Amino acid sequence: DVKVTQSSRYLVKRTGEKVFLECVQDMDHENMFWYRQDPGLGLRLIYFSYDVKMKEKGDIPEGYSVSREKKERFSLILESASTNQTSMYLCASMVKGYGYTFGSGTRLTVV
Amino acid sequence: DQQVKQNSPSLSVQEGRISILNCDYTNSMFDYFLWYKKYPAEGPTFLISISSIKDKNEDGRFTVFLNKSAKHLSLHIVPSQPGDSAVYFCAASASSGGKLIFGQGTELSVKP
Repeated sequence: DVKVTQSSRYLVKRTGEKVFLECVQDMDHENMFWYRQDPGLGLRLIYFSYDVKMKEKGDIPEGYSVSREKKERFSLILESASTNQTSMYLCASMVKGYGYTFGSGTRLTVV
Repeated sequence: DQQVKQNSPSLSVQEGRISILNCDYTNSMFDYFLWYKKYPAEGPTFLISISSIKDKNEDGRFTVFLNKSAKHLSLHIVPSQPGDSAVYFCAASASSGGKLIFGQGTELSVKP
């Protein structure tokens, strides 16, 4: 089974801090994604990557950036955390034709 | 613009009865549809999918129906069990390898 690991389950950060959310998958998948989940809004795509060093903006990229230096790792960066970035963050990886495998999520609170 | 919509935020069903979760989409380019189930503090897990060449796909207690002309799909769970209580997300993509667009989710509660 594919395993997608997010480094932290819960994080509390202060407004203005730079925040790194890490995601690692163990199945050599090319495609990786970052979503955030908010009540009433479902899962919204922040950024995705189809290969190493490649990235594309999703629907809500503002305030975020990403890094993919190695195939197995896809990092989400909050350049200057704000309270409206308090959310559940979900990483996923995918091989074509088989849908996504999600990590367990990181619950980020910005105070 | 919400391309995938789940208009019912919540649904409550008695154990043993049928649960029907609905999903509508607007993009006619979508040809691959999936349902995910999510428990609190966990990531979503894949439940069942259907491609646009079919109108029904069944897996045990779960059946997904697709009505392309109405741009509507539904998930039927029969019989419903308390362990089915979770948030269900509908998702769609323009190809089986493409990014997924998710709906807002429906929280299902199955009462004993």
